[in-house]
Amino acid sequence: QVQLQESGPGLVKPSETLALTCTVSGASFDNYYWAWIRQPPGKGLEWLGYVSYSGSTSYEPSLKSRLTMSLDRSKNQFSLKLTSATAADTSLYFCARQKERGLRTFFDYWGQGILVSVSS
Amino acid sequence: SSELIQPPSVSVSPGQTASISCSGDNLRGKYVSWYQKKPGQSPVLSMYQDNKRPSEIPERFSGSNSGKTATLTIRETQAMDEAEYYCQAWDSRNATVIFGGGTKLTVL
Repeated sequence: QVQLQESGPGLVKPSETLALTCTVSGASFDNYYWAWIRQPPGKGLEWLGYVSYSGSTSYEPSLKSRLTMSLDRSKNQFSLKLTSATAADTSLYFCARQKERGLRTFFDYWGQGILVSVSS
Repeated sequence: SSELIQPPSVSVSPGQTASISCSGDNLRGKYVSWYQKKPGQSPVLSMYQDNKRPSEIPERFSGSNSGKTATLTIRETQAMDEAEYYCQAWDSRNATVIFGGGTKLTVL
């Protein structure tokens, strides 16, 4: 059974770095892409990007300058860092397994989500 | 950037067929996937690559893509199908994943 679980602070101050970790169980990192998706309150889903099994990354262009994603195989974790956080980054953040990339992209397993608020 | 347009809401009576549409700039050649999201729960993949159904999803669910509109169809709709449904595709021009705004399915 593949399971993903997000963890990290639920409150981040403006201008600071939002950092989250996703712990994966029941699956190998190999041949998959490990993604972050967020949902602002009352709004739809927004893809942030992925880190691949090889460590390569792909980011949402509008957030690319602020995003870093990485993989730690020894801990079965992948992580997200979003710098210069603002209130607009307040969202429910999901980690997900991205089964393919490009035109064939879809997400077959998701974490429960973690609510992160950006506020002083 | 490209957009996927969904109706905000769809209502259906129990036992009837619900159709949820997703339109965008030339869906021909794009694969559309669908996710069911209930309050307080994570999204569940309901259909992928237009018309492939994950094994755990009931056969009542089906998908199609005409090139102009993708559609998620739910036959014999049940109360448990009541949820928000999101379509998703890849935007090649901007090299990003795009989601529709979501459709709230109400089973009256």
